[in-house]
Amino acid sequence: DIQMTQSPSSLFASVGDRVTITCRASQGISNYLAWFQQKPGKAPKSLIYAASSLQSGVPSRFSGSGSGTDFTLTISSLQPEDFATYYCQQYSSYPITFGQGTRLEIK
Amino acid sequence: EVQLVESGGGLVQPGGSLRLSCAASGFTFSTYWMNWVRQAPGKGLEWVANIKQDGSEKYYVDSVKGRFTISRDNARSSLYLQMNSLRAEDTAVYYCAKNFAFDIWGQGTVVTVSS
Repeated sequence: DIQMTQSPSSLFASVGDRVTITCRASQGISNYLAWFQQKPGKAPKSLIYAASSLQSGVPSRFSGSGSGTDFTLTISSLQPEDFATYYCQQYSSYPITFGQGTRLEIK
Repeated sequence: EVQLVESGGGLVQPGGSLRLSCAASGFTFSTYWMNWVRQAPGKGLEWVANIKQDGSEKYYVDSVKGRFTISRDNARSSLYLQMNSLRAEDTAVYYCAKNFAFDIWGQGTVVTVSS
């Protein structure tokens, strides 16, 4: 199985900050990487697929990059509604696996 | 509006069975892979299974192989998860999600396995 490791596990930031979350795959996955946002008690929401493609309707302050084993999710200027937990996911091979999550909290 | 609505969750005893359903609307269901994903209380996301457009290919996480069966009815735009031999560790919110990009998610249905 491909292990997905996110860092950091938790992050404190302020509105307006630029934030980067890292995701590392235990083996190469090309660009078969997605990012999701989840707020408490809600279903996850898709943000990015194919490592860097923004889902329709997702604000442009979200961006993704990377290929192979190392990937990043960047939020260019944090908004109040961005405080949530973020997950990466690989869909290169079965079983599809998620990172453990990064909790983004208000400083 | 593109929408997925899960149902069928509930409280079941260990060893019991449950069938989850996911009703799709607002898109051509028969043209997309579909997934089940679960989240145990206070934990992260775990992919459970997925199924090809015509049902000819199905994949499962090891922990549910032989116990869970994913299926679909394209005429009814519905996805199913038959869960047998349930264990306490299957307790979770179960979500259905559309496509390999998991671009649309349902609101989830709660499954509790407890005596």
